[in-house]
This record gives sequence, structure tokens and C-alpha cells, in this order.
Amino acid sequence: NAGVTQTPKFQVLKTGQSMTLQCAQDMNHEYMSWYRQDPGMGLRLIHYSVGAGITDQGEVPNGYNVSRSTTEDFPLRLLSAAPSQTSVYFCASSYLGASGNTIYFGEGSWLTVV
Amino acid sequence: AQSVTQLGSHVSVSEGALVLLRCNYSSSVPPYLFWYVQYPNQGLQLLLKYTTGATLVKGINGFEAEFKKSETSFHLTKPSAHMSDAAEYFCAVSDSGYYGGSQGNLIFGKGTKLSVKP
Repeated sequence: NAGVTQTPKFQVLKTGQSMTLQCAQDMNHEYMSWYRQDPGMGLRLIHYSVGAGITDQGEVPNGYNVSRSTTEDFPLRLLSAAPSQTSVYFCASSYLGASGNTIYFGEGSWLTVV
Repeated sequence: AQSVTQLGSHVSVSEGALVLLRCNYSSSVPPYLFWYVQYPNQGLQLLLKYTTGATLVKGINGFEAEFKKSETSFHLTKPSAHMSDAAEYFCAVSDSGYYGGSQGNLIFGKGTKLSVKP
């Protein structure tokens, strides 16, 4: 039972480079999301998806793209990396049951843009 | 719209002392509330969550939190701090509610770093 798998765990990029953070879940959850964590800011929602083919913006979407072609995968793309995107990124998947949200987080991806 | 305010970005207690981390929320619908803990350079671990029912919620590692609707609070407590409790703690509210429109996301507070002195 893998849960939510994020890759890579660590990455260093140069300004202007592009890259994709991968996120996969094996729990057949409809809901998936990406957050970024910065010191003193908590976690902020970047993009989310309520099902395959459906995505929407969160609080801080600029500079990021997402797509959801399958239920399992929700990659996050940085089109042209900037130092302001140095952060820790968390992918999450969730389902809504009788007791509310049950949310599973990946282990995080530490990204440094130089 | 939901929001979360954590009072105090840093809290320091002595080992064996009471831990109290404060969280207030704003929600237009009955909230689902969460506390997460994050140890240095690690991911998020769920401590406890409130959905419905009993307002006093017990979690892992001896932590508990009480949902007080009248005060819009969900403070986290532990009777006796241990050195291993030193970490950052996040309060969060779900964007889901009884009236639908959920996207399965969480709104987080900015976090409180807990230090435990020997």
C-alpha cells in the first residue's frame, strides 16, 4: 500500500529551467492537490483536482501548471523556475466520507531554485 | 470562506509542563478541523481531527483538542511536554462542509514551533 508517492524528493534547478514534480496515489481517490510550504506561511494551496480531467487554481497558482489525465496521477509543472519557487511541495489525495475529509499527504519534495 | 489563525509562531515550554497551542478558525459552514505535526525535514503527520460528535478529540502522542463553537477555537493541549514533542504544529480547516461544494482541500494556519526546554 504505497499511498501518495512524490518524486523527486530533492531537486536543485537553475532559474529559467522547467521541471515536473510527480505525484501518484493508489487509493482511487477523486481529490488531489498540491501545496507549497514556506517558513512562517504554513501550507498554501497551489492547484487541485476533483477528478480526472478537472483542475482548478488554489491560492498561489502563478508559475505552475497541472493536469489530471488519470485518477492516479497529478503532476505539477514549473514552466520557468524562479528563486521565489524555492519551497517544499506536498501532494495530497483525499476522499470525502461520512466523517469528513480523509487526507493523505506525500512525503514532500524539497526544491531549490538558484 | 474558511480561515485559520494560530496564535504565537513560537511557543517554549519546560519538559513536564502543559503544552497549549492556540487555533481559531473562521468558517461559514460547520467545520472539520485538524492538527498536524511536522518534525524537522519531514512530512506532515496527522495528530487528530474533529468532524462531528464529541467536542473533545484525543489524538496520538497524548495530545487532545477541544472544539468550542462559541469561541471558534480548536486549541491543542498536552498535559506534560516531552523533549520529543519539539516540532512545528499546524492547525487546519477543511473546505468541505455539510452544504457541499467541497474540493477536498485544507486551509492551514501559519504554524507554531514548539520548543521544549530540559
